[in-house]
Formats: sequence, structure tokens, C-alpha cells
Amino acid sequence: QQPVQSPQAVILREGEDAVINCSSSKALYSVHWYRQKHGEAPVFLMILLKGGEQKGHEKISASFNEKKQQSSLYLTASQLSYSGTYFCGTERPGNTGKLIFGQGTTLQVKP
Amino acid sequence: GAVVSQHPSRVICKSGTSVKIECRSLDFQATTMFWYRQFPKKSLMLMATSNEGSKATYEQGVEKDKFLINHASLTLSTLTVTSAHPEDSSFYICSCEGSGNTIYFGEGSWLTVV
Repeated sequence: QQPVQSPQAVILREGEDAVINCSSSKALYSVHWYRQKHGEAPVFLMILLKGGEQKGHEKISASFNEKKQQSSLYLTASQLSYSGTYFCGTERPGNTGKLIFGQGTTLQVKP
Repeated sequence: GAVVSQHPSRVICKSGTSVKIECRSLDFQATTMFWYRQFPKKSLMLMATSNEGSKATYEQGVEKDKFLINHASLTLSTLTVTSAHPEDSSFYICSCEGSGNTIYFGEGSWLTVV
């Protein structure tokens, strides 16, 4: 079953923050986050494996609440280069490697 | 550099013909590879799981006779779109699981059926 992402779209000014949520109705083994720009393949951002795990990559970080079957991606002090569509991909226990993607969140950062 | 190579990156074919897309793991062996399809402005949808030496496992709603998957070696999986039609035009992308739970995606293949 496809995880649900929210919001569907976000428009920000440069320097503003955003949070993208990913929620699953099924138990999760891990959550992967990707960013995709128009016409390009998705680019891997990070993977979260353990409940409560948080990771950071420059000004992009994420958390994973295994109990709630949710993950959130935090974009702080957004830059123009952050524009794109963000997807969470979820792995279920016993089905590692197989990602089920959310519907995507389109982020537009304006000057 | 890329650890999963996909070829071709773009292909245009005539309606009714077949097109083969290759997915190769470059630095590791992959007993399992995954094929996804993405329509414009939509999410990546898993089509099938490609298993080395055995039949692929298709997701619900994906026609196995139309999308032929062959995983003949530990580094190569192929997806053949048979009797392609304009509605098959899409972005096709493969992935495999490497070490440390990292999933590597190929560069993707843009298929246009005219």
C-alpha cells in the first residue's frame, strides 16, 4: 500500500523552512527519501532504518518514528536548488530492497 | 560514479514494436533487481521484482506477457516492452540493493512510442 505524503505541494521563499511528512498504514523496516528534478532520475537523500532515528545532510534532515509508521523530512533555510519533487520510499520487513513510493511532494523555492 | 547502469537512456520506437531496456549492477552482484515506471507528474510505481535465475514477480495490474523480465546473470536484468503502444510511453527505472541497505537506482530510460 502506497504511503501518503503531505503536503502535496509547497511554495517557499529562499531561506524559509519546510517539513514533508510520509505516513504508512503498514509496519516499516526503513524509509528512504529522494528528490527528483524534472526530466531527471531521483537522487537519493537519506535512509532511516531505526525507529526514532534522525539523520542530517547539510540543511536537510529527517526523522523516522517506527511506532507511528511515519517519517518527516526537514528542509531548513531552503535554497533555490532544493526545488523539485520529494518522494519517500518505504521498505517493509521481509521485503528489503523493494520500495513503495509516496505520491510525491512538489517543492518550489522562489528567490 | 554510477553503480547501476541503465541503457538506453532514451528510446523512440514505433507502435507495435518491442523495446529492450538493460539494467546492470557495476560493482556488485544483485540477485534481485526492481523495475519501476513513472508517468509524467506521477510517482514511481513498482512494476516487478526481477529474480536471478527464476521468474520475475509482477505487481498487481502489470501484464507479465507485455513486460518481459529476464535476469540471466547476477549483474544484468532486462525489461522488454513488447508490442509497445503510445500509452506505454513512460520513464522506466531499475534499482538494486547494495551493501548497508543502500538501494541504487539506474539513470532511468525514457521510452516514447510513436
